[in-house]
Amino acid sequence: GDSVTQMEGPVTLSEEAFLTINCTYTATGYPSLFWYVQYPGEGLQLLLKATKADDKGSNKGFEATYRKETTSFHLEKGSVQVSDSAVYFCALTGTTLYGTASKLTFGTGTRLQVTL
Amino acid sequence: GAGVSQSPRYKVAKRGQDVALRCDPISGHVSLFWYQQALGQGPEFLTYFQNEAQLDKSGLPSDRFFAERPEGSVSTLKIQRTQQEDSAVYLCASSLVDSPLHFGNGTRLTVT
Repeated sequence: GDSVTQMEGPVTLSEEAFLTINCTYTATGYPSLFWYVQYPGEGLQLLLKATKADDKGSNKGFEATYRKETTSFHLEKGSVQVSDSAVYFCALTGTTLYGTASKLTFGTGTRLQVTL
Repeated sequence: GAGVSQSPRYKVAKRGQDVALRCDPISGHVSLFWYQQALGQGPEFLTYFQNEAQLDKSGLPSDRFFAERPEGSVSTLKIQRTQQEDSAVYLCASSLVDSPLHFGNGTRLTVT
């Protein structure tokens, strides 16, 4: 079945440092890939997505590129801020654009803590 | 409402009790999902509704779990004869057709 593997946390960075959170996946067909973020005390929010190979999703300075050859969707940000402290989840779905009408498969999440 | 609302926010149940968790989706959202998130894990799919029709319940872990959405709006997830392994955060999400999912803040269930 489908699965997502992401690097374990917590990841602790100083403000303005470069961020990479690794995510690899196993899926049949051509899944859509997502990064969700969960800020403390809040619900999951879609951060960015990519629907086909070589697509780059981007939002709020974060970006991730859909790499079919390495089955990866690593999250990057050039300069993190304290306000980026949250838990980040990589996810995939097999059919539709946003994962509707089909279940999302999530990774275990990576906690990011950014300090001054 | 402004977002997906779940109640109660916290629920403590003694083992063997039945519980009911409520989800109020965003008005007009056709799709509704339930997920279970154990501590330190990612959310795992439980079930999916399109309007009042339950189209996928493949993730429900046992026949003690039951979900309904009788009028295509509010949904209830019911767990009968709760067990300790049912302790988790239960997340509800809704969306328009083929649009981003909006998640609620979840209900944290603790079974003692």
